[in-house]
Order: sequence, then structure tokens, then C-alpha cells
Amino acid sequence: DVKVTQSSRYLVKRTGEKVFLECVQDMDHENMFWYRQDPGLGLRLIYFSYDVKMKEKGDIPEGYSVSREKKERFSLILESASTNQTSMYLCASSLTRTGALYGYTFGSGTRLTVV
Amino acid sequence: EDKVVQSPLSLVVHEGDTVTLNCSYEVTNFRSLLWYKQEKKAPTFLFMLTSSGIEKKSGRLSSILDKKELFSILNITATQTGDSAIYLCAVEPNYGQNFVFGPGTRLSVLP
Repeated sequence: DVKVTQSSRYLVKRTGEKVFLECVQDMDHENMFWYRQDPGLGLRLIYFSYDVKMKEKGDIPEGYSVSREKKERFSLILESASTNQTSMYLCASSLTRTGALYGYTFGSGTRLTVV
Repeated sequence: EDKVVQSPLSLVVHEGDTVTLNCSYEVTNFRSLLWYKQEKKAPTFLFMLTSSGIEKKSGRLSSILDKKELFSILNITATQTGDSAIYLCAVEPNYGQNFVFGPGTRLSVLP
């Protein structure tokens, strides 16, 4: 019954490495989102996508990029990982453009540690 | 700037206690409010609230919205250790805008 799958549960990367976080959904949703979650700050939106090959910046896009080559897959890329990107990363998808009416379906998260 | 605040940030109770979690907001043009439960995995949807004064209920959990005073509460009665989680509140601040999340309340229920 898995609906949003994030490829890694835990990752440890070195400063300066290029990091790929993968997210796949099987609900045929057009809308996908990447959040990071930090204690006391809640979920902050990094990037989102309304359609294949489309992407929009969220509230904290600096240091990140995304790729949406297929409808079901939304990848988050850290071009050169830094220690301040150590965080929990959550992927979500939604039937509606902003999550309204039906909310989001979240993946289980990837806890990334940059050393 | 749109803002969602949750209180308390952390709460420890014993099984059988009743808890009330708070979510207040300041947004441009409120559309809806969501509650999620996050254990050691994906946040799961609990409630969506759009109208004041109408209680949503699911088992021991219930929630209500007050659009005049700009807040929502999530009540959990007869708590169990399985209720231990982070409870997230999110508000849709305006039509066509993405939800704004609060920091979450970490609830720990001790046996």
C-alpha cells in the first residue's frame, strides 16, 4: 500500500558532494513537493512541481535544485552539500495544485547528515 | 508574512490523560487548516477544517476551528502510548498558495 516512496531512509554525505534524493509516487498525482523539516521550524517548502518538467521555487530554494523528467518521479539535488543542509527531507504529492481539499500524501522521509 | 504557531512545542503525559494541542495562525486569507500525525515515518492526515465551530471527530481524536479567534485545537482523550508522535498543523493562507506548516507539537505518552 506504499504510495510515496523515498529511496533512502538515512544518508551520510561529505561536504561538497553532490547529493540526489529520489521520490516516486504511484497515485498519478501531477503535484509534487520537497520539504525539509528541522526542530522548532516545522516543514519548509524547498521546491514544488505542477507537471512534468515544471518546477517552482518554494520558500528556501538556495543550495537546491530539482528534476521532474517523469510524472511519478521528483528528485531533489544538493549541488554541493554543506553541513547546514543536514536535515530531514520529506517528499509529498497532492491531487490538487497546493494540497487544498485533499491534503498531501507524504513519503517516510530521508534523514540526511552532511559531515 | 503568513505564520502558523503551535503550542506547546513538547508535551509529556501518562496513558489515560486527555491532551489539547493548539494551533494559531496569521494568514492573508484563510482557506483551510490541516492536522497531521507524524510518527517515525510519513506524516499521516488526520483532519481538514474549513468552517468554524464544526467538530471533526475520529475515535479518540477531535478537532475544531475558530476562524474569529484564528486558532484550532486538537483533542486526544484517553491517550495511549501509540499516540506518541509529532502533531503538525498546516494552514492554506490564500487561494492558490501552498500550505504553511507550524513547528509541530511533540507528544510523548508514558505507560
